[in-house]
Formats: sequence, C-alpha cells, structure tokens
Amino acid sequence: DTGVSQNPRHKITKRGQNVTFRCDPISEHNRLYWYRQTLGQGPEFLTYFQNEAQLEKSRLLSDRFSAERPKGSFSTLEIQRTEQGDSAMYLCASSLGVAGRTYNEQFFGPGTRLTVL
Amino acid sequence: AQTVTQSQPEMSVQEAETVTLSCTYDTSESDYYLFWYKQPPSRQMILVIRQEAYKQQNATENRFSVNFQKAAKSFSLKISDSQLGDAAMYFCAYRSRNQAGTALIFGKGTTLSVSS
Repeated sequence: DTGVSQNPRHKITKRGQNVTFRCDPISEHNRLYWYRQTLGQGPEFLTYFQNEAQLEKSRLLSDRFSAERPKGSFSTLEIQRTEQGDSAMYLCASSLGVAGRTYNEQFFGPGTRLTVL
Repeated sequence: AQTVTQSQPEMSVQEAETVTLSCTYDTSESDYYLFWYKQPPSRQMILVIRQEAYKQQNATENRFSVNFQKAAKSFSLKISDSQLGDAAMYFCAYRSRNQAGTALIFGKGTTLSVSS
C-alpha cells in the first residue's frame, strides 16, 4: 500500500488552456474526494465519489470543472479554459466506506499544484 | 452551514515546550466529528487526532491532546514536549456524522514553527 498518489505534482499552464489531473486512491478504497487549497486557506471540498458514482458536488465546482472515476478506481479532474483564479493546490483523498460505520478516515495525497499564467 | 475558525495564523514554540492551537466551530448539528490535521511543508496532510462529539472524554494521541468544549464549540489542540518535526501547518476540521461520505470542512490553518 503506497498511499494516495497524484500526478502531476506540478502543472504550469497558460490562461485558457485545459488541464487534467489524476488521482490514484489507496487500493480497495471505495470513496474518493477532491479538495482545492488556495494559498493561506484550508482545503475546500470540490466533489466526492463512491465507487464510480459522483454523489456530491460543491458550488465551487463550476461548469469548467469535471471529474470522473471510471470503474471506481482512479479519478481525473479536468479544468477547461483555465483562469488565473484556478491557481491552487488540488488535493485528492480516499477512504474505505464500510456499511453501518459512519467514520472512515480520509487519507490525503500530496496534491497537484496548478499555476495559471 | 458549518464553519470552522482558526484565529491564530501563526504560532511558535521552543523544543520540549507545550503549545496550544485554538479552533472554534459553528454547527446546528449535535453529532459530528472534529479533527486536527498536520500538513508539513511540501508533504501530504496526515490525521493527528480525532474527537467524536458524543464523547465527553478528550482524545489523546501520545504528545497530542485536545480540549473539547461542546457547549462553547471550542476544540483546541495541545502539543506537549514539542519536537522540531512538529513544525507544520495545522488544520482543524469538522465532519458531520449524519452521512457516511460527508466531506471535511477545514479552518484556514495555523502555521506552527518550532525552534531549538
């Protein structure tokens, strides 16, 4: 078990370009979360998957953002037509949801730092 | 909506000393979890300690302990015998217990520096 991994670790792009990030959760974790962390702030929730189903989306997730989790394994987060305000650290977390148990620790990845020029 | 407030952007402590990080939160729920997470520079966030709101006893994990005051909606973290490796950003977080998959709500964080 190597933990949650994210790629790339850093991404620099020009305004208007599309970018895609990947998250590989801990194997067998059925829940996956995306958060965004801007400088000087705590992480803010973006979206949540249980297996392949996207169950919750934050109002922060504008139409330019889309997330997928095909086959309930890895997940991708795509940002279209990037804006300078999208510059942030994008964090992925995963947890193992067990029926009847309300607490499941979220394990975080190292994040992808996006800089939009 | 729930909110988490950390009023100390920065704190400092000397090695072997004790430091307390403050956190307050606002919620109308009665059943929830509270957490402290540690985010070292350029490294991933890890869970330090967890508190269930229905438990009156304060959680402890080795040198880390919390002071949970439910009526006051206060949740502070005490680090005893501080070590250089404790230097990091610390986040207080809240999670509803009503739904199993609910996301975490974080405060803005406190940067802790440790000097020798």
